[in-house]
Amino acid sequence: NAGVTQTPKFQVLKTGQSMTLQCAQDMNHEYMSWYRQDPGMGLRLIHYSVGAGITDQGEVPNGYNVSRSTTEDFPLRLLSAAPSQTSVYFCASSYMGHSGNTIYFGEGSWLTVV
Amino acid sequence: GENVEQHPSTLSVQEGDSAVIKCTYSDSASNYFPWYKQELGKRPQLIIDIRSNVGEKKDQRIAVTLNKTAKHFSLHITETQPEDSAVYFCAAITSGSARQLTFGSGTQLTVLP
Repeated sequence: NAGVTQTPKFQVLKTGQSMTLQCAQDMNHEYMSWYRQDPGMGLRLIHYSVGAGITDQGEVPNGYNVSRSTTEDFPLRLLSAAPSQTSVYFCASSYMGHSGNTIYFGEGSWLTVV
Repeated sequence: GENVEQHPSTLSVQEGDSAVIKCTYSDSASNYFPWYKQELGKRPQLIIDIRSNVGEKKDQRIAVTLNKTAKHFSLHITETQPEDSAVYFCAAITSGSARQLTFGSGTQLTVLP
């Protein structure tokens, strides 16, 4: 059982380039989300999805797009990378239903924008 | 939206002593409070959680307490060991279809041998 799988693990981008961070889960979870983690600021929610075809913005959505065409996949797109998007990105998933369901995190993607 | 504040930002304790990390939340509708441990370069790992209908939960050396009236919850680690050294995050989830997990800013715990 792979759990939550993120790729790539490390990426260096030039300012203005675009890229997609991939996230896949094999647990049939309805809920998926993307967080970014910056030093001293904890994890902040970028976008989330409560099911295929449904996405919504979190706390820091600017500069990012998401889509949810299948239950398994939730890619995060950076349209025009900026140095402020240098961060560690975590994808997470869980079952819906009552809010006590465990949230599972991927291993993280380290992104540097130069 | 929810706002979670976490204190202290850094905490050093001697091996064998206890460590306490405190968090406050703003949304009275929040009903689930997990704690995560994150080692350097790793993903956050759930170590304990508590629901709003429970005041305290314990799992071996780790315990969490919740005061709904004051809107604060705390993590207690007893008999600390060097392997407890990590960053600890509290979080809160508000009930509803949008299960947004709001994190505190983290506490760097160092257990000195």
